[in-house]
Amino acid sequence: KAGVTQTPRYLIKTRGQQVTLSCSPISGHRSVSWYQQTPGQGLQFLFEYFSETQRNKGNFPGRFSGRQFSNSRSEMNVSTLELGDSALYLCASSWGGENGYTFGSGTRLTVV
Amino acid sequence: GQQLNQSPQSMFIQEGEDVSMNCTSSSIFNTWLWYKQDPGEGPVLLIALYKAGELTSNGRLTAQFGITRKDSFLNISASIPSDVGIYFCAFGGTSYGKLTFGQGTILTVHP
Repeated sequence: KAGVTQTPRYLIKTRGQQVTLSCSPISGHRSVSWYQQTPGQGLQFLFEYFSETQRNKGNFPGRFSGRQFSNSRSEMNVSTLELGDSALYLCASSWGGENGYTFGSGTRLTVV
Repeated sequence: GQQLNQSPQSMFIQEGEDVSMNCTSSSIFNTWLWYKQDPGEGPVLLIALYKAGELTSNGRLTAQFGITRKDSFLNISASIPSDVGIYFCAFGGTSYGKLTFGQGTILTVHP
């Protein structure tokens, strides 16, 4: 079966712009989580969605937001981009939010 | 918040050698996970541990859930060049969808 698909793979944006990243989970998976990975902070949890509802949120500013659609596909949005938002953004899906998460290949965001 | 201490930070070994890395925490967890991340890719789950004392193997990989539930180790036997990557320990099961990761161990294997 197809894995977790993230688009786009690479993105370059300018400070102050906003960006939307997309994640298509494995078919049948209803839980989608997002992570930010940077060399300095490692893998940091952003938020989790299940059946279109945000169930959990990490410690990130309000500029980071997300949503989930009825087909379980998810998007995350970052507004007013800052240089420090440059990172690999990873999406992971599971059937119900248990530990067996499968990660996508990520979107590499560079803010200039 | 809850944190994991993963060591070593990096390892440089010769092909064929065995490797060991571990994670410790001040908190008790119900689940330990070990992931591997290749450059430019997302982490891939290697082994999941759900019971204290549990010892689980996956090919050349062996991981154990510590008896105190505060630590775990991962061993790789007879390393090969494709073992190169970053290995992460992680715990879950404390809140919806959230995995907390260690800092990672960067493994380099010299042929």
